[in-house]
Amino acid sequence: EVQLVESGGGLVQPGRSLRLSCAASGFTFDDYAMHWVRQAPGKGLEWVSGISWNSGSIGYADSVKGRFTISRDNAKNSLYLQMNSLRAEDTALYYCAKDMGGRIVGATTPFDIWGQGTMVTVSS
Amino acid sequence: QSVLTQPPSVSGAPGQRVTISCTGSSSNIGAGYDVHWYQQLPGTAPKLLIYGNSNRPSGVPDRFSGSKSGTSASLAITGLQAEDEADYYCQSYDSSLSGPVFGTGTKVTVL
Repeated sequence: EVQLVESGGGLVQPGRSLRLSCAASGFTFDDYAMHWVRQAPGKGLEWVSGISWNSGSIGYADSVKGRFTISRDNAKNSLYLQMNSLRAEDTALYYCAKDMGGRIVGATTPFDIWGQGTMVTVSS
Repeated sequence: QSVLTQPPSVSGAPGQRVTISCTGSSSNIGAGYDVHWYQQLPGTAPKLLIYGNSNRPSGVPDRFSGSKSGTSASLAITGLQAEDEADYYCQSYDSSLSGPVFGTGTKVTVL
């Protein structure tokens, strides 16, 4: 069964850090680009970051650039998101999503598999 | 602020046809980038509904169809059913932002 399972969310104070993980199974992980997408409570979807199949290409939304770092370990079938200098506006459910293709720059492929998400709450 | 604009809500009676628009610009839909659609049932993760403007993944009923023209795209649901009540999002790529972008989302209500 194709599956993505996120972990690492929780309650954190503003300015602190958190690292999210996403464990993939049921498909050849290193063939595909991967993404993080977030959804603030009661709001829409926002793309956060993406990484190509070989980590050669990485992209970030302007809202997180310089604070968040995406990475992957193909040997462990895992995707990560290191979140530093967290702000209240980063509070959201963070989804891990598989791209239908392998690249991210100029990619027109959709996100065909989604995890159930891990909640991040930034509050003092 | 999303660069793809959708109506906040649409509604219809069971069996009716509803359409959801997704309006972009020359840096995304108008530049020729494909549009994809996702369905998010209450309390669940988004699910890919339409990809490449008009293609349905395996298992998606043919009641759902997509189209694209110019700087806009549309999702149509024919024979509306109670189980279609959900939020729907369009998605494309934006060359100015150098990344994927989502629409503002549309809540479909079955009357």
